[in-house]
Amino acid sequence: NAGVTQTPKFRILKIGQSMTLQCAQDMNHNYMYWYRQDPGMGLKLIYYSVGAGITDKGEVPNGYNVSRSTTEDFPLRLELAAPSQTSVYFCASSYGTGQGRAGELFFGEGSRLTVL
Amino acid sequence: QKEVEQDPGPLSVPEGAIVSLNCTYSNSAFQYFMWYRQYSRKGPELLMYTYSSGNKEDGRFTAQVDKSSKYISLFIRDSQPSDSATYLCAMSDSSASKIIFGSGTRLSIRP
Repeated sequence: NAGVTQTPKFRILKIGQSMTLQCAQDMNHNYMYWYRQDPGMGLKLIYYSVGAGITDKGEVPNGYNVSRSTTEDFPLRLELAAPSQTSVYFCASSYGTGQGRAGELFFGEGSRLTVL
Repeated sequence: QKEVEQDPGPLSVPEGAIVSLNCTYSNSAFQYFMWYRQYSRKGPELLMYTYSSGNKEDGRFTAQVDKSSKYISLFIRDSQPSDSATYLCAMSDSSASKIIFGSGTRLSIRP
């Protein structure tokens, strides 16, 4: 099983450019998440989704947008990139409360973004 | 005030020592409490999982939740160099939807 797949793994952006980080999962999970992790820090929740068509803001949503048109995909859009968005971005998914251990997140390998 | 507070360390202990990692939280609605382990340049992986209060043991690892004090702990017995990693606490309410992480504690076990 592929699990959670993120693309690209690395990207360098210029200030003001836009891009989309892709995330796909093949575990039929209802819940999906985007976190960012700055060097030496924990994970900050950007956006999350409990199902197709439903998204909610996390702790640090400013400068980002998401959509969830299918169960499998949860892309993260960065508009007008700024140096403060330099970080490692992790996508994650979980069953939610439906089955398995609620709150158990399965993470992708991360996308390292640098904004210069 | 942050919802979840965690001492960032770093923490360095000799091999074989007992390690204690802790988090405090402010949201009394939290019901699910997790500990994740993250190796360098990797995504976090679930290590321990607890629902509501109490203790849970898995091999050398013990997780404790004290909801009255809003305090959770992870104990590692007979620590090994392979335990060197960043440990992150995480928690959520009964919806298990919005999952908040602590800032992580970087742990190093010296051979």
